[in-house]
Amino acid sequence: NAGVTQTPKFQVLKTGQSMTLQCAQDMNHNSMYWYRQDPGMGLRLIYYSASEGTTDKGEVPNGYNVSRLNKREFSLRLESAAPSQTSVYFCASSEAWGKNEQFFGPGTRLTVL
Amino acid sequence: QQQVKQSPQSLIVQKGGISIINCAYENTAFDYFPWYQQFPGKGPALLIAIRPDVSEKKEGRFTISFNKSAKQFSLHIMDSQPGDSATYFCAASRNSGGYQKVTFGTGTKLQVIP
Repeated sequence: NAGVTQTPKFQVLKTGQSMTLQCAQDMNHNSMYWYRQDPGMGLRLIYYSASEGTTDKGEVPNGYNVSRLNKREFSLRLESAAPSQTSVYFCASSEAWGKNEQFFGPGTRLTVL
Repeated sequence: QQQVKQSPQSLIVQKGGISIINCAYENTAFDYFPWYQQFPGKGPALLIAIRPDVSEKKEGRFTISFNKSAKQFSLHIMDSQPGDSATYFCAASRNSGGYQKVTFGTGTKLQVIP
C-alpha cells in the first residue's frame, strides 16, 4: 500500500516549457487535490476533484490545468511555465464526504528558470 | 484572504519543554480543525484533529485546545523531543460540494534543541 505517489520528485523547466505532474493513490479515495507550497504561505489549493469525472478550481488555478484520468490518478499540467510557478507541489486525497483527513504525497519540487 | 492565522512563524524549544503554536480562524462554518506535521522533504501528515464540539483533545504528548467563542485553537507539545523538529500547519476544514475545503495556516517551524 504505497498511499499517494507523485512523479517526478524534482524538475527544472525553462520559462514557456510545459510539463505534467503525475499523482496516483491506491486507497480507493474519491477526492483528490493539488496544492502548492511556498515559503511563508502555507499550502494553497490549485485544483481539486471531488469525485471521478469532476474537477474544479481552487484558490490559485491560473496557469494550471488538471485531468482526473480515473479514480486513482489526477494529473496537473503547466502549459507554459513561468518563474512564479517555482514551488513545491503536493497531491493529496481523501475518502469522501464526512471523512476529513487528507493524505499527502511526497511532493514535486519544481524550478522554473 | 488569510482565513487561518498561525503564530509564531518559528519556534525554538529546549528538549523537555512545552511547544505552543496558536491559530485563529474567521469562518464559523469550519467544522474540523486538523494539525499537520511536515518533515523536510516529505509531505504533510495528519498529527491530531479536533471538532468544535469539544474544548480539548489529547493524544500522547500532543494536545489541541479549542476556544470556539474566540475562534482560536492551539497545539501544545509536552516534553518536546528533537524528533518533534518539523514544520506544523494548523488548518480549518469544512465539507463543501463533496470535497474537504481545507484552509491552511502559514506554518510554524519548530526546532527542539538537546
